[in-house]
Amino acid sequence: SSELTQDPAVSVALGQTIRITCQGDSLRRYYGSWYQQKPGQAPIVVIYGKNNRPSGIPDRFSGSSSGNTASLTITGAQAEDEADYYCHSRDSSGDHGVFGAGTKVTVL
Amino acid sequence: QVQLQQWGSGLFKPSETLSLTCAVYGGSFTNYYWSWIRQPPGKGLEWIGEVNHIGSTNYNPSLKSRVTVSVDTSKNQFSLKLSSVTAADTAIYYCARENDSGGYYYFDYWGQGALVTVSS
Repeated sequence: SSELTQDPAVSVALGQTIRITCQGDSLRRYYGSWYQQKPGQAPIVVIYGKNNRPSGIPDRFSGSSSGNTASLTITGAQAEDEADYYCHSRDSSGDHGVFGAGTKVTVL
Repeated sequence: QVQLQQWGSGLFKPSETLSLTCAVYGGSFTNYYWSWIRQPPGKGLEWIGEVNHIGSTNYNPSLKSRVTVSVDTSKNQFSLKLSSVTAADTAIYYCARENDSGGYYYFDYWGQGALVTVSS
């Protein structure tokens, strides 16, 4: 399968915790990665693999995976976390990349 | 510090071939897959295809018949050609480095993006 499914939009109160999920058969074989994209900017990776944060990404971002679902958690969401978030993985064949449709996160 | 700088014409007519190039500055060119990703206005990201330093390629099955991704290792550059474009190919096109260290696949460096418009 080559599909990754994300909720279109979620909201979170400032300082609260939010979890965004990504479902797909290929996630049983490959770890996902998560990208944050703000308007007018290129995406940046915030989580990859089991739960790895690139340098410069705040530790309030964390990742997890179970079965066919990858999750991104923001613990203590800040106003600057308001953005679109995309998951990515290889498809089940391993030969192609695939993105989820994205989740728009609003911080209230 | 790795930087990806992309360029190419921004306006194409229907049926023309879109052409973009991405130059890689810094870091190794040989240990990664180099990818193209696009984003139609107001929509999500779509993986287009990738190439490694020896020219091995993989393409999105939905675009495979129209896409060619190539590499020029002498210049640390890779290119995208998309033939027979239509308005549906209007998008911001990004080049990106795919890192697969440790068995994880992720894009750690991105180009600045280039808006490509297809219009008669």
